[in-house]
Amino acid sequence: KAGVTQTPRYLIKTRGQQVTLSCSPISGHRSVSWYQQTPGQGLQFLFEYFSETQRNKGNFPGRFSGRQFSNSRSEMNVSTLELGDSALYLCASSLDSGMSGLADTQYFGPGTRLTVL
Amino acid sequence: AQSVAQPEDQVNVAEGNPLTVKCTYSVSGNPYLFWYVQYPNRGLQFLLKYITGDNLVKGSYGFEAEFNKSQTSFHLKKPSALVSDSALYFCAVRDMDLTGGGNKLTFGTGTQLKVEL
Repeated sequence: KAGVTQTPRYLIKTRGQQVTLSCSPISGHRSVSWYQQTPGQGLQFLFEYFSETQRNKGNFPGRFSGRQFSNSRSEMNVSTLELGDSALYLCASSLDSGMSGLADTQYFGPGTRLTVL
Repeated sequence: AQSVAQPEDQVNVAEGNPLTVKCTYSVSGNPYLFWYVQYPNRGLQFLLKYITGDNLVKGSYGFEAEFNKSQTSFHLKKPSALVSDSALYFCAVRDMDLTGGGNKLTFGTGTQLKVEL
């Protein structure tokens, strides 16, 4: 099976612009989560989508949003970019098959490196 | 709230020697614990997880981890380190407080492992 794919791998934007990142989960996986990784804050949870609905949300401002499509692919959007948004954005997918979902493993994509100038 | 701590920012070990990367956790209830590895400019690769059962968990690439409930630890180990094991290692705990269920991981700050010849 193909792994989690993320596009684009690298992005350079300027302050005030907006950006959309894309994630394709492993085939059959229904849950997609997004994380932000920075040297200062480490890995932080952004949000999780399941069945096209946001199921959980981290502590990020409303400029960060996402969505999930019927094929489980997900996008995240950051509006009005700030310098501090420069980070590696990681997407992870998991099977989430009901009761066994608690033990599910999250598999990560290679990430999108966003640089805000 | 769940948390994990990785007390060492960096661990140095000679190739062929055993390695240990430390992780302690704080959860209410039974923990679901994970180890991931990250190579430069890459996403996170899953190594192993503890859900229940045997306290010694075996994972990928010869890694194993020992779950110790009394010490609230989940240390990652390998009997014989390789130079290619040099990478950033993250311990994570599944968030069990989510009212809507779902899959959210809280990560430690990471430990840089350096294996030298």
